Amino acid sequence: KNQVEQSPQSLIILEGKNCTLQCNYTVSPFSNLRWYKQDTGRGPVSLTIMTFSENTKSNGRYTATLDADTKQSSLHITASQLSDSASYICVVTWNSGNTPLVFGKGTRLSVIA
Amino acid sequence: EAGVAQSPRYKIIEKRQSVAFWCNPISGHATLYWYQQILGQGPKLLIQFQNNGVVDDSQLPKDRFSAERLKGVDSTLKIQPAKLEDSAVYLCASSLDGPLDAAFFGQGTRLTVV
Repeated sequence: KNQVEQSPQSLIILEGKNCTLQCNYTVSPFSNLRWYKQDTGRGPVSLTIMTFSENTKSNGRYTATLDADTKQSSLHITASQLSDSASYICVVTWNSGNTPLVFGKGTRLSVIA
Repeated sequence: EAGVAQSPRYKIIEKRQSVAFWCNPISGHATLYWYQQILGQGPKLLIQFQNNGVVDDSQLPKDRFSAERLKGVDSTLKIQPAKLEDSAVYLCASSLDGPLDAAFFGQGTRLTVV
């Protein structure tokens, strides 16, 4: 069964600190992996997208890594800001025609002053 | 570039009533998705359109949910009759041509069934 598991479920950090969110998946065959940021009351917004051949991709203070062998990805946030408070969702695409995206349940990040 | 537009933003209805949501995808995007997101969970796919054809509706509760995408552009999602457990955010997303392309999401419609 294709699944995406994220950890931790929730996280609280102080402003200015770094943090790392984890994503493990069992989707196979795999096409690409995306990280989305979802602010409360808003739709998800794409942060990064990586194919199986990419190991890392950055978007400002966000850096995603991918290990396709172990089927693990991480999202590292550097020098966190209050505006980083949101849910971060890992999404994996099946490499099989028009099959749907497989979503994780997300990690709820709270950055406090 | 205009994003995915959804309306209404919020809707409160009583159980057994009907409700409809509207989505206008990004211009030129062939693929349109409707997702249901219950509080604290990731989005769950309800239906995926490719142009005006249905690609996947395996998780759509067809006894009460229906969706259409006439002319392959705008789409509507209807619930009739609504149940308490339908309370959720309904997200519409679109991508250029299939799930291998980046999906852009609308802000969603928050439905509360009382």
